[in-house]
Amino acid sequence: DAKTTQPPSMDCAEGRAANLPCNHSTISGNEYVYWYRQIHSQGPQYIIHGLKNNETNEMASLIITEDRKSSTLILPHATLRDTAVYYCIVRPVRTGANNLFFGTGTRLTVIP
Amino acid sequence: DSGVTQTPKHLITATGQRVTLRCSPRSGDLSVYWYQQSLDQGLQFLIQYYNGEERAKGNILERFSAQQFPDLHSELNLSSLELGDSALYFCASSGAPQGVPGNTIYFGEGSWLTVV
Repeated sequence: DAKTTQPPSMDCAEGRAANLPCNHSTISGNEYVYWYRQIHSQGPQYIIHGLKNNETNEMASLIITEDRKSSTLILPHATLRDTAVYYCIVRPVRTGANNLFFGTGTRLTVIP
Repeated sequence: DSGVTQTPKHLITATGQRVTLRCSPRSGDLSVYWYQQSLDQGLQFLIQYYNGEERAKGNILERFSAQQFPDLHSELNLSSLELGDSALYFCASSGAPQGVPGNTIYFGEGSWLTVV
């Protein structure tokens, strides 16, 4: 399974865009990039996922590079409630188990 | 609200005891996953069930077991509890059949277990 590398922590000013990077240089063709976040001791919350095209939903945008070796999660207007640990996960999709393996993530702190 | 329900929310028990954590998946979801989160280990995958059958095993101790019932709810049984078993236990569920790309996994709010 492909591993991901994320910076351990980032700060972002409230109201500004938060850009969270993720490297997944060993990703294979049938693996998706998923983003989850965990707000202090709550259950991980699904944010967005993508295969190779950029994706956008009501929470965030996901930009995946053309070679698929890295991606960026964008929270367009960060609020204090976005302070959380953000996990970038490469998820193999195959018959059988397709569970998520969490790394250490990026702790995003939104500053007033 | 993810639609995944876990009970109890908090549980305090003594070493050597046995507890059962319960999970109701989102309506219609066939897969159930269990994860453990302790302070020094992060989120660790324990086990996955799909439509009543075990599908994958992660770092689950032999003292722990799980099952998924015909109504699709799942239980995680933890026995001979040790201090180090104190953790948050999350249940998650997903809907699409195995191997379908992009079937999202949704998490419950967890059960806090404290072993004293």
